[in-house]
Amino acid sequence: DAMVIQNPRYQVTQFGKPVTLSCSQTLNHNVMYWYQQKSSQAPKLLFHYYDKDFNNEADTPDNFQSRRPNTSFCFLDIRSPGLGDAAMYLCATSEDGYQETQYFGPGTRLLVL
Amino acid sequence: SQELEQSPQSLIVQEGKNLTINCTSSKTLYGLYWYKQKYGEGLIFLMMLQKGGEEKSHEKITAKLDEKKQQSSLHITASQPSHAGIYLCGADMEAGGTSYGKLTFGQGTILTVHP
Repeated sequence: DAMVIQNPRYQVTQFGKPVTLSCSQTLNHNVMYWYQQKSSQAPKLLFHYYDKDFNNEADTPDNFQSRRPNTSFCFLDIRSPGLGDAAMYLCATSEDGYQETQYFGPGTRLLVL
Repeated sequence: SQELEQSPQSLIVQEGKNLTINCTSSKTLYGLYWYKQKYGEGLIFLMMLQKGGEEKSHEKITAKLDEKKQQSSLHITASQPSHAGIYLCGADMEAGGTSYGKLTFGQGTILTVHP
């Protein structure tokens, strides 16, 4: 059974048109992460939520926002996508963060036209 | 330079052969994770190593952590086409580890297994 679910699996948007990616989890984990993975590169952490506390990585562009309305769901909002934002976006969860295993969803591939 | 260096970058083997992938850190490791990724998909957790000298096995995959060398190795015995994919090592590179488990990943090793 899927534990970390991402929707949609593929998303096509236009340059500058806001887009929202969705992640849900059935693990009841406290921490949810969003990673960006560009072609042939390693995943890079954008931000994470510990429960309701939002934590941005220092180098995450302002164009990226996130919401976590409840334990199960987390959203990634890209306010004005640029061509350079085309990537795979991966959601992950862990029970408590520190030295805990992170479980990843299948990812959403974003294409910006 | 990369904080986590994986070698080799790509590997092509014949089915049935053994292989090893290495992950070397520029800093002290506080936990080392191995993941597998199929092209265009998410990361599948394989193993986590926390202590120097620790070794874990799952089916035909064995991972070891050499704390002194700041290195981990992933060994696959009698490889099969199902082992093909991208293998990524990840670690919390902050001194002492972060409270939220920030993972930095290596650039990945692409494994191809020919039947």
